[in-house]
Amino acid sequence: KAGVTQTPRYLIKTRGQQVTLSCSPISGHRSVSWYQQTPGQGLQFLFEYFSETQRNKGNFPGRFSGRQFSNSRSEMNVSTLELGDSALYLCASSLAPEGPEAFFGQGTRLTVV
Amino acid sequence: QKEVEQDPGPLSVPEGAIVSLNCTYSNSAFQYFMWYRQYSRKGPELLMYTYSSGNKEDGRFTAQVDKSSKYISLFIRDSQPSDSATYLCASALNAGKSTFGDGTTLTVKP
Repeated sequence: KAGVTQTPRYLIKTRGQQVTLSCSPISGHRSVSWYQQTPGQGLQFLFEYFSETQRNKGNFPGRFSGRQFSNSRSEMNVSTLELGDSALYLCASSLAPEGPEAFFGQGTRLTVV
Repeated sequence: QKEVEQDPGPLSVPEGAIVSLNCTYSNSAFQYFMWYRQYSRKGPELLMYTYSSGNKEDGRFTAQVDKSSKYISLFIRDSQPSDSATYLCASALNAGKSTFGDGTTLTVKP
């Protein structure tokens, strides 16, 4: 069974640009969560989708947005990139609508220069 | 103050030692309590989770939650070099929105 797949694995962008990251959950999983991981702030919750609906949102500016498609795949977008957006972005998927995030992908390492 | 505070590391122990990892949380409404293990350049891996309070055991790992003191613990018995990783505690009110501790890096020396 394939795990959570995140693409691309690595990305370098310039300040002011925008970026789109992709997450394919485990087959059959309908809940997808996104997290930002940095050395200074640790893992911080961005948002969570279930059946194409955003159920929860973290305390990030509106430059961070996401969506989920009917096949449960999810994308997150960051516009007007700032140096501080450099981080590992992690996606997690779960089968059930309740319970913790069970499976994380390997993440997308975003570097903003 | 962060909602989930984790004992800072790093922690270094000899092989075979019992390891104790601890966290506290401040939101009394949290219902889910999790422990994740993260190896370098990998995503976190769910080790164990508890709904509400109590103990849970899985092989060499035991998770404890004391809601009265808002304390979360993970014990690793007979620690192995392969247990060397960063351990993250997390709590959640409901599904899909977890609050993580900063992580404790554990090294088990052969």
